Amino acid sequence: EPEVTQTPSHQVTQMGQEVILRCVPISNHLYFYWYRQILGQKVEFLVSFYNNEISEKSEIFDDQFSVERPDGSNFTLKIRSTKLEDSAMYFCASSWGGVAGVTDTQYFGPGTRLTVL
Amino acid sequence: AQKVTQAQTEISVVEKEDVTLDCVYETRDTTYYLFWYKQPPSGELVFLIRRNSFDEQNEISGRYSWNFQKSTSSFNFTITASQVVDSAVYFCALSWPGGSYIPTFGRGTSLIVHP
Repeated sequence: EPEVTQTPSHQVTQMGQEVILRCVPISNHLYFYWYRQILGQKVEFLVSFYNNEISEKSEIFDDQFSVERPDGSNFTLKIRSTKLEDSAMYFCASSWGGVAGVTDTQYFGPGTRLTVL
Repeated sequence: AQKVTQAQTEISVVEKEDVTLDCVYETRDTTYYLFWYKQPPSGELVFLIRRNSFDEQNEISGRYSWNFQKSTSSFNFTITASQVVDSAVYFCALSWPGGSYIPTFGRGTSLIVHP
């Protein structure tokens, strides 16, 4: 069964460093998303991406965040200068959207745990 | 405002017990979607079910069942004959047109099933 994959599973970085989190969405999916979950808290939306551009973003997704689809398979989240409060689990998700469009079910990857020291 | 409330923070049961996880939602929209996701200790989010607002039929999948009641704005999830492998955090989520169908998650209910 196709699934969303994410690398690395765990990333440790120093405050102020740049990190890139990588995701490979399900191959025929059209909509891509990033969410984060601070330890013990609920899952929060960061950004959605469709047709090679950002379609929605939350107030969390400020100028230090960016997303990119550098090729036909990868979808990345870059945090330019990490802060302690960026420590969280980051989930990538994708949905097909072919008929149901943006209402389609999102399937999540296993997450990348980011630890900022 | 649209909101999902999972009032049960943690539930502890013994294997083979039935357990119901509550989800109450608020929305002004007549069209919306409700979801349940499971987050086992390994951390991934596993999709369980999606239900649209026009389909109030209850659903059963093996030991899992869902009771959608628009009259009480609830979408409860029951696990019958619970097993240790059911131990996880379960999230209920709501998406709606005004929110671009981006799911808003509840705070989750941690289910612990003891052998």
